[in-house]
Amino acid sequence: QVQLVQSGAEVKKPGASVKVSCKASGYTFTSYGISWVRQAPGQGLEWMGWISAYNGNTNYAQKLQGRVTMTTDTSTSTAYMELRSLRSDDTAVYYCARVRLHNNYYYYGMDVWGQGTTVTVSS
Amino acid sequence: QPVLTQSSSASASLGSSVKLTCTLSSGHSSYIIAWHQQQPGKAPRYLMKLEGSGSYNKGSGVPDRFSGSSSGADRYLTISNLQSEDEADYYCETWDSNTHVVFGGGTKLTVL
Repeated sequence: QVQLVQSGAEVKKPGASVKVSCKASGYTFTSYGISWVRQAPGQGLEWMGWISAYNGNTNYAQKLQGRVTMTTDTSTSTAYMELRSLRSDDTAVYYCARVRLHNNYYYYGMDVWGQGTTVTVSS
Repeated sequence: QPVLTQSSSASASLGSSVKLTCTLSSGHSSYIIAWHQQQPGKAPRYLMKLEGSGSYNKGSGVPDRFSGSSSGADRYLTISNLQSEDEADYYCETWDSNTHVVFGGGTKLTVL
């Protein structure tokens, strides 16, 4: 079955970096993209950006530009999200989600979610 | 860039029906949206993709009790025969080309 399995919880100090992984199975990895979404405690969903596993193109939310990098390793069907210069307000659950592609290029919505990775930023 | 507006809360009785609304901002009334459900303490789950025509495509395993419809800039999620496990937060999602994805603020559904 289609599945996204994320890496485990992380605790980081302010100013550090975190890298979360998302391993896909049950589908052709390069026929889709991966979005990253975060949810601060008690808050709604916030889109962070997405990467096409088809061609490696990325698009990031403006507020995170310069601090976030999304990559994929097609040999292991794994996507990664690295967030740098962590602050306390980056404390959240981070989700990856599969993105359907239209014509192998256009974003066409998320349709499978990972289980989430808790990232805590605290001194 | 589109903006999605959702009511913050809704409630309905066990076994009844409820209709949740997601409204697209001016100039974006033709956009496709997706509905996602997030039960307490769990990851979100994809429910369906919904077009401006009212045509919708549900995810694998989504019960028949869930359906979608549209009217103008409004996109609806209707849940029939409400069950206790339907108590959850419901988010709508839309996108603008490849560069901008947004979620609505979410509706917290309480099953009475």
